[in-house]
Amino acid sequence: GAGVSQSPSNKVTEKGKDVELRCDPISGHTALYWYRQSLGQGLEFLIYFQGNSAPDKSGLPSDRFSAERTGGSVSTLTIQRTQQEDSAVYLCASSLARVSYGYTFGSGTRLTVV
Amino acid sequence: AQKVTQAQTEISVVEKEDVTLDCVYETRDTTYYLFWYKQPPSGELVFLIRRNSFDEQNEISGRYSWNFQKSTSSFNFTITASQVVDSAVYFCALSPVNGNKLVFGAGTILRVKS
Repeated sequence: GAGVSQSPSNKVTEKGKDVELRCDPISGHTALYWYRQSLGQGLEFLIYFQGNSAPDKSGLPSDRFSAERTGGSVSTLTIQRTQQEDSAVYLCASSLARVSYGYTFGSGTRLTVV
Repeated sequence: AQKVTQAQTEISVVEKEDVTLDCVYETRDTTYYLFWYKQPPSGELVFLIRRNSFDEQNEISGRYSWNFQKSTSSFNFTITASQVVDSAVYFCALSPVNGNKLVFGAGTILRVKS
């Protein structure tokens, strides 16, 4: 597609429920990244994919967070047993190769845990 | 460890004023990339510039200019004759050349008043 597409754009969930956030990168972009933007916390790296593999998961804050990428394209970030501190904007970005090329961000998913 | 500091939390200017956004970084890498991104109220991060660490030439693009000084580890961004549409959060970011992720500063909120 023309840009990085994320869905849903907004998600309100009850504490303890699982949520899935989807990212559809730019066609042909092999690298995909997830970031989290919390109020007052800036942009926090979560995970990086190169193709379908995730060589860097160092930013995932707990084992409640997981992500997968299928077919070298769409990625899903799953948060299990959501907590209020998970409330944030989750941003996805994609790049032709590594981040050194500069990458394109999606509009994000605003997650609110109530 | 890498770190990016944007000391200015918020700046307010009147339209047509020039404004400079400061960025100071820390890294042990000898080669790296520096970036600026703009995040307008819509939320999407917009790529503005990428700079190689071995290229210290200043760059100008329209009303935007960037001053990279390796000696002081700074990569400052100037907007000349600011406009209301420049109102946004601006992020400075750093990545090693072979790295897989960007480290972002906390961002500077720029408010341009008419």
